[in-house]
Amino acid sequence: DVKVTQSSRYLVKRTGEKVFLECVQDMDHENMFWYRQDPGLGLRLIYFSYDVKMKEKGDIPEGYSVSREKKERFSLILESASTNQTSMYLCASSLTGQESLEQYFGPGTRLTVT
Amino acid sequence: GEDVEQSLFLSVREGDSSVINCTYTDSSSTYLYWYKQEPGAGLQLLTYIFSNMDMKQDQRLTVLLNKKDKHLSLRIADTQTGDSAIYFCAEFCSNDYKLSFGAGTTVTVRA
Repeated sequence: DVKVTQSSRYLVKRTGEKVFLECVQDMDHENMFWYRQDPGLGLRLIYFSYDVKMKEKGDIPEGYSVSREKKERFSLILESASTNQTSMYLCASSLTGQESLEQYFGPGTRLTVT
Repeated sequence: GEDVEQSLFLSVREGDSSVINCTYTDSSSTYLYWYKQEPGAGLQLLTYIFSNMDMKQDQRLTVLLNKKDKHLSLRIADTQTGDSAIYFCAEFCSNDYKLSFGAGTTVTVRA
């Protein structure tokens, strides 16, 4: 059974703080994704990675960076948190290949920046 | 991936059928998905359909795809209170290898 875990369910940070959101998957998936979810906007892709040490910008990468040093772990970094980054952050992973396009999601981290 | 649109809210009586509609714009989409998000949880894949299919049925779920109109629907038969959730339509875009999600339809099941 695929499991994607995120380090925190709820996080409260102050404006200007550096924030790390961690995601770990246990199914040896090549692909990992970070989304943010906002009411009325659905899921928007921030960054994704197809392999270790590899990253690609998604649709809204501004204000974020990522790190993938190990295959199972994908970190999202907010270098200097701002109030407009208050959101639900969802991590997902998937296998490479036409037969496995399903993305498996973690439970989400609700980040509040004050 | 391009724009995926769906209505934001649907209220349905328990035992009735629910129909959630979605439109997409990318003609190169190969797979279209329906994900379900229960309160406080991540997204879970409900079902998907390959773009060369018109219909797919899985127990209480029926997916209809009209490729000409780029219209996708999800029908839930005999809707139960446990079906209350947000349902996301998503398309896989083969030209950029990403999933594009709609805004999500919040389905509320009333007794």
